[in-house]
Amino acid sequence: DTGVSQNPRHKITKRGQNVTFRCDPISEHNRLYWYRQTLGQGPEFLTYFQNEAQLEKSRLLSDRFSAERPKGSFSTLEIQRTEQGDSAMYLCASSLDQGTQYFGPGTRLLVL
Amino acid sequence: AQSVTQPDIHITVSEGASLELRCNYSYGATPYLFWYVQSPGQGLQLLLKYFSGDTLVQGIKGFEAEFKRSQSSFNLRKPSVHWSDAAEYFCAVGADSGYSTLTFGKGTMLLVSP
Repeated sequence: DTGVSQNPRHKITKRGQNVTFRCDPISEHNRLYWYRQTLGQGPEFLTYFQNEAQLEKSRLLSDRFSAERPKGSFSTLEIQRTEQGDSAMYLCASSLDQGTQYFGPGTRLLVL
Repeated sequence: AQSVTQPDIHITVSEGASLELRCNYSYGATPYLFWYVQSPGQGLQLLLKYFSGDTLVQGIKGFEAEFKRSQSSFNLRKPSVHWSDAAEYFCAVGADSGYSTLTFGKGTMLLVSP
């Protein structure tokens, strides 16, 4: 068990650019979650997958956001046409079925 | 929809003193409740969780929490705080369908003074 990993750990981009983050869950975990955390706030749920199926999406996930988990293993979260309001920490978590969610270290995004 | 309130944004405790962090939740059914800790630059680490049964749950690092349904509370306690406990603490409630999503409070930053 190597834990949940996320890459990159930090990303600085200019407004209007596209960015993609990757999350590698704990190997036997079939559920994968994305959360967003802004300064002074707790994490907010964005979306989750069970295997490769995206089962739930938050209203926070605008049309500019897309997440995939093509083979039921790693996941990517893409933000198109980034805006300054997208600056946040993006957290990934995984779980085995409805078990405890284990979080990765996060990717901190800064949009200039 | 569920919600979590952590009324204290910051708390300062002397090393060796006891600690209680408050958490109140709003949820229509039996909640699944969690406490996570986040150190700077780190992800969230689970301290403890409550699903059912004994309302006093023990966690890692000497933490415990008590579920009080009548008060809609799940306060976190530790009898003697160590300097390494300085971090941000988040209370969370799970959604009814097997806590597939978590709703977090805004967090309480714990500062430990020597």
